[in-house]
Amino acid sequence: DGGITQSPKYLFRKEGQNVTLSCEQNLNHDAMYWYRQDPGQGLRLIYYSQIVNDFQKGDIAEGYSVSREKKESFPLTVTSAQKNPTAFYLCASRKKGGPGANVLTFGAGSRLTVL
Amino acid sequence: EDQVTQSPEALRLQEGESSSLNCSYTVSGLRGLFWYRQDPGKGPEFLFTLYSAGEEKEKERLKATLTKKESFLHITAPKPEDSATYLCAVTPSYGNKLVFGAGTILRVKS
Repeated sequence: DGGITQSPKYLFRKEGQNVTLSCEQNLNHDAMYWYRQDPGQGLRLIYYSQIVNDFQKGDIAEGYSVSREKKESFPLTVTSAQKNPTAFYLCASRKKGGPGANVLTFGAGSRLTVL
Repeated sequence: EDQVTQSPEALRLQEGESSSLNCSYTVSGLRGLFWYRQDPGKGPEFLFTLYSAGEEKEKERLKATLTKKESFLHITAPKPEDSATYLCAVTPSYGNKLVFGAGTILRVKS
């Protein structure tokens, strides 16, 4: 079955450490997204990529970095510059055209906790 | 600024007690409005897309409607398995990003 796989499900980080969250999709979708979810707030866009080797900052990109070397993969690095990284991180993808082109498909999420 | 506001923040219903969730939006041209369901600790699951005022979509006990300023998610005779957080999002006409509301947490008790 096609879908989006995020790993790890749970991650603990010490202050000052960088961590990388994995996102892999086998849906053949062109666009991929990273969102952050905090209690009582809507999903906020961190970064998105519409094509391999290209990505754009979202609304809260500071302290995060991404790469898009393959169509299937869009890893997110949470750097030590992110002052409040404890959150639930969601990866999503979307196809470019045709039926359902505007619909985001989400992964199961990764919960990051800073110790 | 594009904005989505959902109300109420939380809703408790008895099994079989019908109700509605509200999503009001301010956006520079609406390309689409989306409803998602999210279970605790999981990613959102797509429910509906609405594109123009007057449009309605149904799926089992759920019915979504759209006006020029808001959308409603009507839940008819809910069951405990309908308990979840329901998210509303809009896509402005000028871009590819979704703007999400904070969600409504629904609890249905038997």
